[in-house]
Amino acid sequence: QSALTQPASVSGSPGQSITISCTGTSSDIGAYKYVSWYQQHPNKAPKLLIYDVNNRPSGVSNRFSGSKSGNTASLTISGLQAEDEADFYCLSYTTSGIYVFGPGTKVTVL
Amino acid sequence: QVQLQQSGPGLVKPSQTLSLTCAISGDSVSSNSAAWNWIRQSPSRGLEWLGRTYYRSTWYNEYAISVRSRITVNPDTSKNQFSLQLNSVTPDDTAVYYCARESGGFDPWGQGTLVTVSS
Repeated sequence: QSALTQPASVSGSPGQSITISCTGTSSDIGAYKYVSWYQQHPNKAPKLLIYDVNNRPSGVSNRFSGSKSGNTASLTISGLQAEDEADFYCLSYTTSGIYVFGPGTKVTVL
Repeated sequence: QVQLQQSGPGLVKPSQTLSLTCAISGDSVSSNSAAWNWIRQSPSRGLEWLGRTYYRSTWYNEYAISVRSRITVNPDTSKNQFSLQLNSVTPDDTAVYYCARESGGFDPWGQGTLVTVSS
């Protein structure tokens, strides 16, 4: 049982933009800038895409961007490509001093 | 480039202790700017953060509420690694276990270890 909520699935056509939301509370997403996003392909370890709400690590495509408003964080994928088909997870630090993951969103490229 | 290499048994009997190690290269477990985490993933639980250890003039640990009574994450400065111990395991602890460095997001991750709890 996750304290964060994400849509179970999001789909889009190649070239389109999609947005995945991650909704929490004032005790997690709303409390800190420590929200990160991960992409996971089947049978692979998760890969960091965004950290501290909207920072992209070196080597991550600028098609991935993050934002936050209140208790909801969002990941936008622009110029959707076939290789983007994967599961995406948000992660937030909490006022309890622990981390919580979202349940994950399956992205399908039509 | 930081790399993490996990090791440990893939099969643990119920009621016994699950023990995994994560060896670090390219960074130090005693770094003042990183934390060292354990995460697991199963179909029923999804990704679940378990706990972490980090050094900020002294050692700190933080653990998930769900496993707080059974978990220990320890640094080993002599070998530059950290470990996970989870006591009194049940089949519900069957999962892929990952270690990960935290220094602005979780990156990198270890390769993952499938641990099955079964007699």
